[in-house]
Amino acid sequence: AQTVTQSQPEMSVQEAETVTLSCTYDTSESDYYLFWYKQPPSRQMILVIRQEAYKQQNATENRFSVNFQKAAKSFSLKISDSQLGDAAMYFCAYPGAGSYQLTFGKGTKLSVIP
Amino acid sequence: ETGVTQSPTHLIKTRGQQVTLRCSSQSGHNTVSWYQQALGQGPQFIFQYYREEENGRGNFPPRFSGLQFPNYSSELNVNALELDDSALYLCASSRRGEETQYFGPGTRLLVL
Repeated sequence: AQTVTQSQPEMSVQEAETVTLSCTYDTSESDYYLFWYKQPPSRQMILVIRQEAYKQQNATENRFSVNFQKAAKSFSLKISDSQLGDAAMYFCAYPGAGSYQLTFGKGTKLSVIP
Repeated sequence: ETGVTQSPTHLIKTRGQQVTLRCSSQSGHNTVSWYQQALGQGPQFIFQYYREEENGRGNFPPRFSGLQFPNYSSELNVNALELDDSALYLCASSRRGEETQYFGPGTRLLVL
């Protein structure tokens, strides 16, 4: 069974600082995607960033970047210059190669301190 | 480009009743997936629809069923509601062959 583990139930960061959220996953596949989603109190799950496993380069989207370590099956999310609007639940998700069923971690609640 | 929409926003039902939740997929998307998110948990995959047929199912009983229509919109039906069915139900759409799923705002179901 595919598993996704987020070991930090809660994190906090000062506004304008940098924070890293951790995620590990289990798979026997070699080609796959990984995702980070953000869920603010409004409940809508918003795609933050995605990584293709066959790409060596870590994905970056503005202030959001990932540290993807394929051998270690680790996929962390770095948020730079944190803003109040970044406060939300963050979920790591893995669909598995050829599978469209997303498996989510339990999430990390991020608080941003003004 | 129109995003994923869901209706209703909130719903209250009593145990034993039946409920239907609706989802309209994002423009250009032909696949719809449904997830259940209990309070404080990550979403759990219920099932996916493609070409009006169920295309994968998670660990949910048969009283959870669905439909997809020719315009790619979808319904989730739950019969014989139980208290544990209280959750946020999320719909996500995607293009077949592309693994990125885009989510709707969800329907909050409360079963009393």
